[in-house]
Amino acid sequence: QSALTQPPSASGSPGQSVTISCTGTSSDVGGYNYVSWYQQHPGKAPKLMIYEVSKRPSGVPDRFSGCKSGNTASLTVSGLQAEDDADYYCCSYAGSYNWVFGGGTKLTVL
Amino acid sequence: QVQLVQSGAEVKKPGASVKVSCKAAGYTFTTDHMHWVRQAPGQGLEWMGIIKTRDGSTSYALQFQGRVTMTRDTSTSTVYMELSSLRCEDTAVYYCARAVFFAGDPWGQGTLVTVPS
Repeated sequence: QSALTQPPSASGSPGQSVTISCTGTSSDVGGYNYVSWYQQHPGKAPKLMIYEVSKRPSGVPDRFSGCKSGNTASLTVSGLQAEDDADYYCCSYAGSYNWVFGGGTKLTVL
Repeated sequence: QVQLVQSGAEVKKPGASVKVSCKAAGYTFTTDHMHWVRQAPGQGLEWMGIIKTRDGSTSYALQFQGRVTMTRDTSTSTVYMELSSLRCEDTAVYYCARAVFFAGDPWGQGTLVTVPS
């Protein structure tokens, strides 16, 4: 199972919006509505930000949103804030009780 | 609240095995499966496998099949991940994560396993 493809880096100024893509195949991203996104700050455990493509867990700001089209999922962070500066990983169910992560995107708030 | 507490850091010699534990609290242990994910230094997240806490059945990522064993103890609400035939490339932080909504939430604090060359 190959890793999902994410851009290595993304950036934006405070208040701006940034979108991070996550490209897979019809066997993972395109085949299931089970894409999740995680935020990870240095030295910390990942935190779930989006599940089932576009749903937010309780406590996650509505500045974070997700969507999917075909084999590509996207995470959009609106109204960028300094604390959004972190690594972001997508993850997709790939069938038969297997999951696959993306390579990660470092988001820099300028 | 839901909490996953993992065992402490380990240093192992090449060829040895390591067993990492993850103790769950704050929910009914057998309600949800548990993922194991690792992260090598400076690298991304890598899914290792999942254990169904109710019956102990497992599914492992292809690259770990034959080397990883995941088990659980329902009496202590603890899951275990044992990785054998360790090599330098297995140096990583290993995480457990409660499987909910086909995702992982929350995650344990991580366990650093070091395999010196």
